[in-house]
Amino acid sequence: DTEVTQTPKHLVMGMTNKKSLKCEQHMGHRAMYWYKQKAKKPPELMFVYSYEKLSINESVPSRFSPECPNSSLLNLHLHALQPEDSALYLCASSLITTADEAFFGQGTRLTVV
Amino acid sequence: AQSVTQPDIHITVSEGASLELRCNYSYGATPYLFWYVQSPGQGLQLLLKYFSGDTLVQGIKGFEAEFKRSQSSFNLRKPSVHWSDAAEYFCAVGLMEYGNKLVFGAGTILRVKS
Repeated sequence: DTEVTQTPKHLVMGMTNKKSLKCEQHMGHRAMYWYKQKAKKPPELMFVYSYEKLSINESVPSRFSPECPNSSLLNLHLHALQPEDSALYLCASSLITTADEAFFGQGTRLTVV
Repeated sequence: AQSVTQPDIHITVSEGASLELRCNYSYGATPYLFWYVQSPGQGLQLLLKYFSGDTLVQGIKGFEAEFKRSQSSFNLRKPSVHWSDAAEYFCAVGLMEYGNKLVFGAGTILRVKS
């Protein structure tokens, strides 16, 4: 199984809503990543978890809150988002470091209204 | 600062023609280099990677890339393009010294004309 599964595939939320994005992998990977990708732009790193601990936060606004409950699961909790936060959110995992191949999920297309 | 540059935003090639996508990096040491492909609205798939050793690396779908230290380049090539190769291609650099970061270039959109 070389899949990274992201749910939901699409999400529409209001600016006062609270929602969560979920990412799951069963490859035994110990590094997991959240990326944000705007249209016609490259993925931008948001967060990195290594061994279930947050190792990188790329100065992401606090309305995005990551969580890694166990080695297979990564969540991104969303609260009070802005329309400019609308984007494709990609989850990825790699064995330990970026020297290892990163496997990407299909992404969650988020629209904030 | 560490960076990845893909100078071509769009490239159009005829089906069956050869392809070269350019990538230059700015980094103090020899980085870990990757090429990823993304179809519209989809996640990214790894085509190939370079860490050390043979500077010509083979990947999936008939792609290859050559690492040239003197030019700080890692260009992607394919001898004969198929219509299904139309997608966006990202060059990326793995920066372990900076906390396990994978940094992407701006991407090159490949169009294939029949």
